[in-house]
Amino acid sequence: LAKTTQPISMDSYEGQEVNITCSHNNIATNDYITWYQQFPSQGPRFIIQGYKTKVTNEVASLFIPADRKSSTLSLPRVSLSDTAVYYCLVGDFGGGGNKLTFGTGTQLKVEL
Amino acid sequence: DAGVIQSPRHEVTEMGQEVTLRCKPISGHDYLFWYRQTMMRGLELLIYFNNNVPIDDSGMPEDRFSAKMPNASFSTLKIQPSEPRDSAVYFCASSLEAPGRDEQYFGPGTRLTVT
Repeated sequence: LAKTTQPISMDSYEGQEVNITCSHNNIATNDYITWYQQFPSQGPRFIIQGYKTKVTNEVASLFIPADRKSSTLSLPRVSLSDTAVYYCLVGDFGGGGNKLTFGTGTQLKVEL
Repeated sequence: DAGVIQSPRHEVTEMGQEVTLRCKPISGHDYLFWYRQTMMRGLELLIYFNNNVPIDDSGMPEDRFSAKMPNASFSTLKIQPSEPRDSAVYFCASSLEAPGRDEQYFGPGTRLTVT
């Protein structure tokens, strides 16, 4: 299993950039890194996915260093509605990588 | 598409009873997953299917748990007999591509309480 570690919680203010890091020391060569957002009483929702270097979409960026032992989700200019739990997911069944393993989750609280 | 549909949304049952959770994946998705979420253990992958065939059930906690996918539009997760420690939120998810390489779409979950 790809063991993943995240900070338990983070606080921020509206308009700030938030960076959440996930450590995955035993990531396998074929493993992908995916981030999900979860609101209370809802299922997780996809944010972004990457394999190496940097990926950017309309809501976030994902930074992955060369050794791939960690990854950082970057949320630009957060708002109150970004208050949620954020999970990293590491693994890849399709290519023989690790079994899918969710991180412990980071509770992000955004205030005015 | 209505997304992944799960039923029931809430289930309260007594220890020893059989519980059946249901899931309808997004049409056209070849992969279906069952997850369990608890405060203590977080999100755990229980089992996943590819084209209705169970591929990996190593996350299923014990023989009391079983999952089936009789066709591309329906799957069940059954617990028999249920125990209080099975209390959790159970999520079903589906995806187009192989696990880990594609976005998974999660259902709203079934909150199970076993007394």
